[in-house]
Amino acid sequence: NAGVTQTPKFRVLKTGQSMTLLCAQDMNHEYMYWYRQDPGMGLRLIHYSVGEGTTAKGEVPDGYNVSRLKKQNFLLGLESAAPSQTSVYFCASSSRPNTEAFFGQGTRLTVV
Amino acid sequence: GESVGLHLPTLSVQEGDNSIINCAYSNSASDYFIWYKQESGKGPQFIIDIRSNMDKRQGQRVTVLLNKTVKHLSLQIAATQPGDSAVYFCAENPSGTYKYIFGTGTRLKVLA
Repeated sequence: NAGVTQTPKFRVLKTGQSMTLLCAQDMNHEYMYWYRQDPGMGLRLIHYSVGEGTTAKGEVPDGYNVSRLKKQNFLLGLESAAPSQTSVYFCASSSRPNTEAFFGQGTRLTVV
Repeated sequence: GESVGLHLPTLSVQEGDNSIINCAYSNSASDYFIWYKQESGKGPQFIIDIRSNMDKRQGQRVTVLLNKTVKHLSLQIAATQPGDSAVYFCAENPSGTYKYIFGTGTRLKVLA
């Protein structure tokens, strides 16, 4: 029962470096999401996807790109990391709108 | 642990007492609502949901109340236990969208 799996769990980047966060779900869900969580601000939606090959911007998309080449995977990329992107990143998936979203365990990213 | 809200509102409850956590949601077009629990170092975990055609829904030891007139949601936990200590988030899903909008969260501390 893997559910939603995120890799890596922790990462430290230098300013200007790039990286990709991987999210994989084994529930055959159509919808996938990337959120960031910062102190006192709850979870904010970065990008989301409503199916394989589709992506859309969320509330805070600047500085991030995403791809959904396979239904089970949703990748979040940082092309040139900035200290403001220090955060905990969560991936989630759901089978359809208006239903429970399942979350991964999170990736703690620090940009120095 | 993860960085979940250094300045979150905190509710302290004696073990065995009932807890009530409140949430004001923002979008009058929201028609689906979820309560999530987040323990230290983990992703949000589904507790209970409610649709806008209901004003109350009960689960095991938990009850969610929805007041659409004032855009207010509450989570009641009966006989609060130490394992209930966590941060609780409400989330709303505006009708016709795929997005979940999260509140900033409330930290529940259970006192022995």
